[in-house]
Amino acid sequence: TQLLEQSPQFLSIQEGENLTVYCNSSSVFSSLQWYRQEPGEGPVLLVTVVTGGEVKKLKRLTFQFGDARKDSSLHITAAQPGDTGLYLCAGTNTGNQFYFGTGTSLTVIP
Amino acid sequence: DSGVTQTPKHLITATGQRVTLRCSPRSGDLSVYWYQQSLDQGLQFLIQYYNGEERAKGNILERFSAQQFPDLHSELNLSSLELGDSALYFCASSQRGAYSPLHFGNGTRLTVT
Repeated sequence: TQLLEQSPQFLSIQEGENLTVYCNSSSVFSSLQWYRQEPGEGPVLLVTVVTGGEVKKLKRLTFQFGDARKDSSLHITAAQPGDTGLYLCAGTNTGNQFYFGTGTSLTVIP
Repeated sequence: DSGVTQTPKHLITATGQRVTLRCSPRSGDLSVYWYQQSLDQGLQFLIQYYNGEERAKGNILERFSAQQFPDLHSELNLSSLELGDSALYFCASSQRGAYSPLHFGNGTRLTVT
């Protein structure tokens, strides 16, 4: 079993603050994906990172894949209430299997 | 809209009963995955099918079974239900390819009373 640990598990911040969510594993992955899940809905893909050291930006969100392809981080700048949700990382292997992290529940207070 | 359809949206049943959850994948997606999500927890992988054949098994109980039909829709059967089986059950589909993402349905909320 390839475990992905996310930290923190819960995060409550004021609108406008910055935050970073971490996704760590002892396993190497072919790629790493980040999803956001809102209440009552299924997770939705935010980004896929493939190359070790890769950095991708999606508006105020910055994603980084670790050099060894074992970990990743998600940084949100100037958080907005609309960023509230459950953030899930998922490592994938060549067999098209997905290993989901433990999740980070983010609440942004207006 | 992810293109993945799950029915029913809600299901309330009693302990000991059996239920069937249904999933229609996105058009063209051959892989179907089933996940269980309990309150405030991440996604627990149950089982994966590819073009009708079982591809991988996760932490799926013996009381649970699934299949993928020739038209690619999938069903998850849960039997001898227990209170602890109450959860959100998600179906996801994907295309074949190393970096293809999962597209999730909106889930079936199962409540066992």
